Amino acid sequence: AQTVTQSQPEMSVQEAETVTLSCTYDTSESDYYLFWYKQPPSRQMILVIRQEAYKQQNATENRFSVNFQKAAKSFSLKISDSQLGDAAMYFCAYRRGRTSGSRLTFGEGTQLTVNP
Amino acid sequence: GAVVSQHPSRVICKSGTSVKIECRSLDFQATTMFWYRQFPKKSLMLMATSNEGSKATYEQGVEKDKFLINHASLTLSTLTVTSAHPEDSSFYICSARDARQVIGSQHFGDGTRLSIL
Repeated sequence: AQTVTQSQPEMSVQEAETVTLSCTYDTSESDYYLFWYKQPPSRQMILVIRQEAYKQQNATENRFSVNFQKAAKSFSLKISDSQLGDAAMYFCAYRRGRTSGSRLTFGEGTQLTVNP
Repeated sequence: GAVVSQHPSRVICKSGTSVKIECRSLDFQATTMFWYRQFPKKSLMLMATSNEGSKATYEQGVEKDKFLINHASLTLSTLTVTSAHPEDSSFYICSARDARQVIGSQHFGDGTRLSIL
């Protein structure tokens, strides 16, 4: 079974600084997808960034980027120029393959605090 | 972008009541929808996978007679918490994936906060 581990229950960063959230996963599959979701206090789940395992290039979305190390099964999220609105719970997630019925497996989450 | 509507957003009811939560994909068809439960400051726990036109697949430990799921159309799945008790109080979230997209992401509803008195 696939597992996703986020070893940092809480992280904090100063506004305008950079922070990296860690995520590791375990799978025997070769075709899979990795995601970072943000859940602010409103509890809405917001997709931050997505990485296809077959792509070697790290995904980037504006201030958000990932460091995908497939051999090490590591998928960290870097937030640059942190803003107060980035404060939220961040979940790393894994999905196997390309079938529409594939489930997401979530990590336990990292609570990010942004200090002004 | 793809939108999933979940209703109601908040429910407060007495113990023994059955509560129905709806999850609708507004601008895409979803052959598969997912139902999650989330406790405060915890991760999302998958309860069941809802398949259009067939029976839902429940995760281990989830009572299918307690949490009834119906996915009668390509845009609507419902979760009914039958004879709810205080221990069923939680945050429930649905998600759906656009069946047309090979590598599409799951789109989440805004969740339902269920409080059983």
